[in-house]
Amino acid sequence: DSGVTQTPKHLITATGQRVTLRCSPRSGDLSVYWYQQSLDQGLQFLIQYYNGEERAKGNILERFSAQQFPDLHSELNLSSLELGDSALYFCASSPGTTRETQYFGPGTRLLVL
Amino acid sequence: AQTVTQSQPEMSVQEAETVTLSCTYDTSESDYYLFWYKQPPSRQMILVIRQEAYKQQNATENRFSVNFQKAAKSFSLKISDSQLGDAAMYFCAYRSGSNTGTASKLTFGTGTRLQVTL
Repeated sequence: DSGVTQTPKHLITATGQRVTLRCSPRSGDLSVYWYQQSLDQGLQFLIQYYNGEERAKGNILERFSAQQFPDLHSELNLSSLELGDSALYFCASSPGTTRETQYFGPGTRLLVL
Repeated sequence: AQTVTQSQPEMSVQEAETVTLSCTYDTSESDYYLFWYKQPPSRQMILVIRQEAYKQQNATENRFSVNFQKAAKSFSLKISDSQLGDAAMYFCAYRSGSNTGTASKLTFGTGTRLQVTL
C-alpha cells in the first residue's frame, strides 16, 4: 500500500458526460501528479499540483481540468467524455517538487460507452 | 525532450532463474533519476528501484538490481531468483533533476511484460 488513495476504483459512463476523479496523497506529501494510461498512448503525464497551485502541465486536454484543495486532496475533472478517454487514471504524490520518488495510487479505471 | 525505450515487449523466465530487462533513454541532461516500476495484474504501479544519475554505484533492492551505464544511456533491471509473484508489466521511467517546467514528470517506456514459469 503506497498510502495514496483514489476513488472511485471503477467508473462507467456515457459519451458527453462529465466525471470527477479524486485523489488523496500520502500524509505529508505536497505534490500531486495525474497520469493517464491507455492502450494507444501508454503512460502519460497530465498535470501536477504543488501545495494547491498548478505546477506543471503535460498532455492534458482542454476538456480536462484539475485542482488541489487546502487539505491537499486533488480532483481531476473530465468533461464531454469521448470513447477515447477510456483509460486508467493514476494519481501519484511526492513530498515536494524535486528529486523525490513518486508513489502511485491504485488508479481509477474509466470506461466511456 | 527525453525519451525512454524498452525494446522487449515480452520476456519469460523460469522460477528461480535470473532475467534482465532492458531500458535505454535519451537525454541531454546530466542530472536525472531513473526508476523501474512494476505493474502486476491488479494494475497498481509499484516502485521497484531508483537510481540517481550522479551515483556511480548501481542500486540494489533485495533480488532486484540495476546495471546503469550512463555513457551508453542504458538502465537494465536484473531480477534474481525469480518468483511467480514477479510476473507483471515492468516500466522504466525517467525524471529530470531540474526543478523547472514539467521537469517533475515521469517519462515512461512502453513496458516489458514478464512471465514467470514453473
